[in-house]
Amino acid sequence: SQKIEQNSEALNIQEGKTATLTCNYTNYSPAYLQWYRQDPGRGPVFLLLIRENEKEKRKERLKVTFDTTLKQSLFHITASQPADSATYLCARRATSGTYKYIFGTGTRLKVLA
Amino acid sequence: EPEVTQTPSHQVTQMGQEVILRCVPISNHLYFYWYRQILGQKVEFLVSFYNNEISEKSEIFDDQFSVERPDGSNFTLKIRSTKLEDSAMYFCASSVQGGDEKLFFGSGTQLSVL
Repeated sequence: SQKIEQNSEALNIQEGKTATLTCNYTNYSPAYLQWYRQDPGRGPVFLLLIRENEKEKRKERLKVTFDTTLKQSLFHITASQPADSATYLCARRATSGTYKYIFGTGTRLKVLA
Repeated sequence: EPEVTQTPSHQVTQMGQEVILRCVPISNHLYFYWYRQILGQKVEFLVSFYNNEISEKSEIFDDQFSVERPDGSNFTLKIRSTKLEDSAMYFCASSVQGGDEKLFFGSGTQLSVL
């Protein structure tokens, strides 16, 4: 079955630094990957989508890369702020032709002031 | 910005009781989903719904679960006879289409089965 793996260890970084989170997937390469932010007790909020033919996607201080050879996506937050502290989830469709999205366990980011 | 609305935010029930979780998806969206998240675990797919019928469901979504879109705005998840292991945060989500589309999630209903 398709899997998404994220580093479940919490990531602590200093304010102003760049945070880099990793998402690895197994089996077939999805046509795209999505990244969400989840705050405690809240639903996930969509951040970015990157397609397999896009090497990189940016939105303000966020950058996502997609490497189909490594089966990996990297999510970067530059000039991080304490307000960026949250859990970040990677998601993909389970298989092509399905509308079932599967999520990684998420990486909890804490930005220290 | 339009949002997905879920009620109630918290629901406490006794084991064996029926519960109905309610959702109002975004009005022009066509695909609807229920996900759940047990404390400290990943967001898990339960069911997707399109054109007034279930399009996919997971192994978790057994005969105790059902979904319904009783009118043009509400989308409900019913658990007929709750078990202790049904305790989780239940999220409703919707999307404009079912393909490469972002999901809009509600704030969730925290279900506690005692």
